[in-house]
Amino acid sequence: EPEVTQTPSHQVTQMGQEVILRCVPISNHLYFYWYRQILGQKVEFLVSFYNNEISEKSEIFDDQFSVERPDGSNFTLKIRSTKLEDSAMYFCASSEAGQQETQYFGPGTRLLVL
Amino acid sequence: KQEVTQIPAALSVPEGENLVLNCSFTDSAIYNLQWFRQDPGKGLTSLLLIQSSQREQTSGRLNASLDKSSGRSTLYIAASQPGDSATYLCAVDGNTGKLIFGQGTTLQVKP
Repeated sequence: EPEVTQTPSHQVTQMGQEVILRCVPISNHLYFYWYRQILGQKVEFLVSFYNNEISEKSEIFDDQFSVERPDGSNFTLKIRSTKLEDSAMYFCASSEAGQQETQYFGPGTRLLVL
Repeated sequence: KQEVTQIPAALSVPEGENLVLNCSFTDSAIYNLQWFRQDPGKGLTSLLLIQSSQREQTSGRLNASLDKSSGRSTLYIAASQPGDSATYLCAVDGNTGKLIFGQGTTLQVKP
């Protein structure tokens, strides 16, 4: 069964460093998403992406964040200058179409900023 | 602003019991509602998706219902098993694919 994959599974970085989180969505899916979950808190939407551009972003997704689909398979989330409060589990998701379709989530990348 | 609430926050039942998890949302203008399962430290596994025009969906021992006008959904688990122990999340999609999640119900099924 096709699944969303994410790398790395864990990342530790120093405050102020740049990190890139990688995702490979399900191959025939057209819509891509990033969510995050700070320990003990709700899963929060960050951004949605379709047709090589951002469809919607939350207030969390400020200028420090960017997304890219560098080739036909990868979808990346970049945090330019990490802060302590960026420590969280980051989930990538994809869906075949947009709304009204099931979103399939990857296993997550646990980011720890020291 | 859409808010999603799940009650109870935690639930412990003996194996074999039937149980109901509750989800409520403040804005009834939703496109769909999705139930997920999350195991500790893991990703989210989609269980069921109910479109706004539907009343319920079933998958195996799981049945999810939706009452859009009252802003409520329930997830019914029949004949619970220890392997059902996990956190169950509900999430609503308002129109754009952006999911808004509840805080989850952590279920423990004791053998």
